[in-house]
Amino acid sequence: QKEVEQNSGPLSVPEGAIASLNCTYSDRGSQSFFWYRQYSGKSPELIMSIYSNGDKEDGRFTAQLNKASQYVSLLIRDSQPSDSATYLCAVNINADYKLSFGAGTTVTVRA
Amino acid sequence: KAGVTQTPRYLIKTRGQQVTLSCSPISGHRSVSWYQQTPGQGLQFLFEYFSETQRNKGNFPGRFSGRQFSNSRSEMNVSTLELGDSALYLCASSLEAGSDATQYFGPGTRLLVL
Repeated sequence: QKEVEQNSGPLSVPEGAIASLNCTYSDRGSQSFFWYRQYSGKSPELIMSIYSNGDKEDGRFTAQLNKASQYVSLLIRDSQPSDSATYLCAVNINADYKLSFGAGTTVTVRA
Repeated sequence: KAGVTQTPRYLIKTRGQQVTLSCSPISGHRSVSWYQQTPGQGLQFLFEYFSETQRNKGNFPGRFSGRQFSNSRSEMNVSTLELGDSALYLCASSLEAGSDATQYFGPGTRLLVL
């Protein structure tokens, strides 16, 4: 079982719609969760972090965490063409003292 | 505050050579982690340094090594390069050590091995 799994995509959404990205993880002891955005040819850029169960909102982005289900998601509201990128879910793996990344979900926002 | 910087940005080497990549963390950040990113394997953890000590190492052969200096700058070295080492090498810095800390990535060094 992979440590962090994301819906593979690609995900295509029309401009103005909500993009929903999902991520599951295997380490029940994980406490820190991060979403990064990576444009083609660029390095990952932190969008947000979440540590507690529930929702965390930052502008058009909402992260949702459910530790019991070992599930974290990212919603992008009012999607814009500039949101077209690959989104990486990262989870701390306590047993190995490292941050593990999912394979990423590529999002394309159609104008 | 200036972000994480990495040099060089692009590098072409041939098989069997060695390469050294450099990373300067955000000012005040004491932890530096290195990752390899390839289309097939995604982002994979190489190692983390904090206070000049390697705290953790990923599942890579001994050809991959690194170090950290007293000013928190870090270098990684790959010896006896193989074609499969072609990748984007990313450095990330954080205030403190550990996987809980928020990591900020540099622009990366794109290495091509011929």
